[in-house]
Amino acid sequence: GESVGLHLPTLSVQEGDNSIINCAYSNSASDYFIWYKQESGKGPQFIIDIRSNMDKRQGQRVTVLLNKTVKHLSLQIAATQPGDSAVYFCAENSGGFKTIFGAGTRLFVKA
Amino acid sequence: NAGVTQTPKFRVLKTGQSMTLLCAQDMNHEYMYWYRQDPGMGLRLIHYSVGEGTTAKGEVPDGYNVSRLKKQNFLLGLESAAPSQTSVYFCASSPRGNTEAFFGQGTRLTVV
Repeated sequence: GESVGLHLPTLSVQEGDNSIINCAYSNSASDYFIWYKQESGKGPQFIIDIRSNMDKRQGQRVTVLLNKTVKHLSLQIAATQPGDSAVYFCAENSGGFKTIFGAGTRLFVKA
Repeated sequence: NAGVTQTPKFRVLKTGQSMTLLCAQDMNHEYMYWYRQDPGMGLRLIHYSVGEGTTAKGEVPDGYNVSRLKKQNFLLGLESAAPSQTSVYFCASSPRGNTEAFFGQGTRLTVV
C-alpha cells in the first residue's frame, strides 16, 4: 500500500552543523514530493519540493535529494540554526489531489 | 495578505454537539483541503474541493461534511461530535493539484 515514513522520529543537532532528515516512500507512481516545516502551534509551511524528473534541488540553505531507485527522499539543512527547530514532514503526491504525509521528524537544534 | 485563515482557533464540544469550522483564503486558489492531525500520524485528508461548488471525500471523511459555496471559503461540519474527533484541524489551499499547499494556523478541537 501507499505509505510515507521517516527513519528517525527525533533528530538533535548542534547549531551550525548540517542536518539530514530522511524519508522513505512506497508508491512508485508518486511524481511530486514536498517538504514542510511545522513550528509549534502553527500550520505546516512549504520548504522545498522536487518532481520525479529531478534527483536534486537546492534552495536557500536547504537541499532535497530524491533517489527513485530505493524510493528515498532526504532534506538537508546547511548550518542549522535554532530557528530551524520544528517538525519536518515529507509528503508525496501521485497526481491529482491526494497528498500523503509522513508522520514527521522533530528536529532539535542545540545552541 | 492573510493567506489562509481558520476560525475558531480552539473549541471544546460535548459528545453529540455540532459545529462548523470556517476556512477562508484570499489567494484566489481553486483547490482547498481539510486535514486532521493526530499525534504520530501526520496529516490525513478529510475532504477536499477542486473548485467552487465541488467537494470530494479524502482518506477519513466519516463523521464530517463540507461545503464550498464560495471560492474563498471551505466549511467543515461535524454533525454529531465524537471523542474520536478530538484533533487539530488544518485547512489548506493550492492554486492547482499536485503542487505546494498553503496551510492555516489550525483549529484545536476537543470533544468530551
